[in-house]
Amino acid sequence: SQQGEEDPQALSIQEGENATMNCSYKTSINNLQWYRQNSGRGLVHLILIRSNEREKHSGRLRVTLDTSKKSSSLLITASRAADTASYFCAPIKTGANNLFFGTGTRLTVIP
Amino acid sequence: DTAVSQTPKYLVTQMGNDKSIKCEQNLGHDTMYWYKQDSKKFLKIMFSYNNKELIINETVPNRFSPKSPDKAHLNLHINSLELGDSAVYFCASSQGSGGDTEAFFGQGTRLTVV
Repeated sequence: SQQGEEDPQALSIQEGENATMNCSYKTSINNLQWYRQNSGRGLVHLILIRSNEREKHSGRLRVTLDTSKKSSSLLITASRAADTASYFCAPIKTGANNLFFGTGTRLTVIP
Repeated sequence: DTAVSQTPKYLVTQMGNDKSIKCEQNLGHDTMYWYKQDSKKFLKIMFSYNNKELIINETVPNRFSPKSPDKAHLNLHINSLELGDSAVYFCASSQGSGGDTEAFFGQGTRLTVV
């Protein structure tokens, strides 16, 4: 299976807290991407981390990648109600052509 | 300007009908995709199309066929619609293939088969 598996399936936190989502995968990867999906909308790209990178930041987002454990995590700091969405990871298998997604982590940020 | 646009946004139709969903991207990308998202939010890739090369997910029934009149368009045609085809369908595009760059998604088409 080329898709990632997000954990937890659902996460509920208070505004201002940090949210951590995890992604595990099974194959060797070239890179790994994280996307956000607001309710009723299409996916929006958040960040791409390459297999030779261990950490990447974008604003309040921090992504880590551990290729030895075949896992990645997405940390959202100082969460806001607007961060309420589903978050998907897409590990890109070496030599693969497509993005494979799982079922995502549903994050709810309570104001 | 909408980067990836799909029409219609909602589609309600009866079993057995044939329908099409249109997708257009104005990003100059050379790869386009169709995804199906079921009620459990699982996103399944159906097709990718790059420089006239079509890669089909083998689990997709042959009632589904993508049609690309040019690089900016990848339409999805569905024959003999079934209840199980009800889902949200997303079109996406990216520059190049291999998942090496970000993909841009349309807003989705919610298909309901009754």
